[in-house]
Amino acid sequence: SQKIEQNSEALNIQEGKTATLTCNYTNYSPAYLQWYRQDPGRGPVFLLLIRENEKEKRKERLKVTFDTTLKQSLFHITASQPADSATYLCALPPDDGSARQLTFGSGTQLTVLP
Amino acid sequence: DGGITQSPKYLFRKEGQNVTLSCEQNLNHDAMYWYRQDPGQGLRLIYYSQIVNDFQKGDIAEGYSVSREKKESFPLTVTSAQKNPTAFYLCASTGQSSSLHFGNGTRLTVT
Repeated sequence: SQKIEQNSEALNIQEGKTATLTCNYTNYSPAYLQWYRQDPGRGPVFLLLIRENEKEKRKERLKVTFDTTLKQSLFHITASQPADSATYLCALPPDDGSARQLTFGSGTQLTVLP
Repeated sequence: DGGITQSPKYLFRKEGQNVTLSCEQNLNHDAMYWYRQDPGQGLRLIYYSQIVNDFQKGDIAEGYSVSREKKESFPLTVTSAQKNPTAFYLCASTGQSSSLHFGNGTRLTVT
């Protein structure tokens, strides 16, 4: 069955450093992968989508890579700030693409320490 | 501003009672979804609807029911048959893009 794993439940880093979060998947050949941010007690907010034919995508201080050979996506936040503290979720569509039913990882809780 | 409104934010019920969670969107999106989130777990799909008057079961539909009588509304009923109803429930919608727009959730506690 399809499975998504995010590298760790919690990650603490110092302000100004680069945070790197990992999303690994098995038994998938997704056409794209998405990253969301979720703050406590709120719904996730869409951040970035990267397609299978894109190696890298950037948005301001965010960078996402997608390695379909390794079946892995890396999510980087450069020059991290305490306001970046949140849980980050990766999500993938089903293989057949017949419906937009995303499957989510359990998330990585990032804390940026001042 | 367009968005998804879930109400109430917190809901408390006694075991054995059915409860309905509200989800309204003004984004003119065709597809709507209900997810459940438990601590340490990813979001799990309960039901989804791609068009008015049509809906399909997700991965964990047992003990839940939905209706989609209007494009804007997709209420979820948690029935007494749901074994572990206490959770954070999230409603979402999609339009032309594949990204989901989420509401801010309803935290249901059943005692």
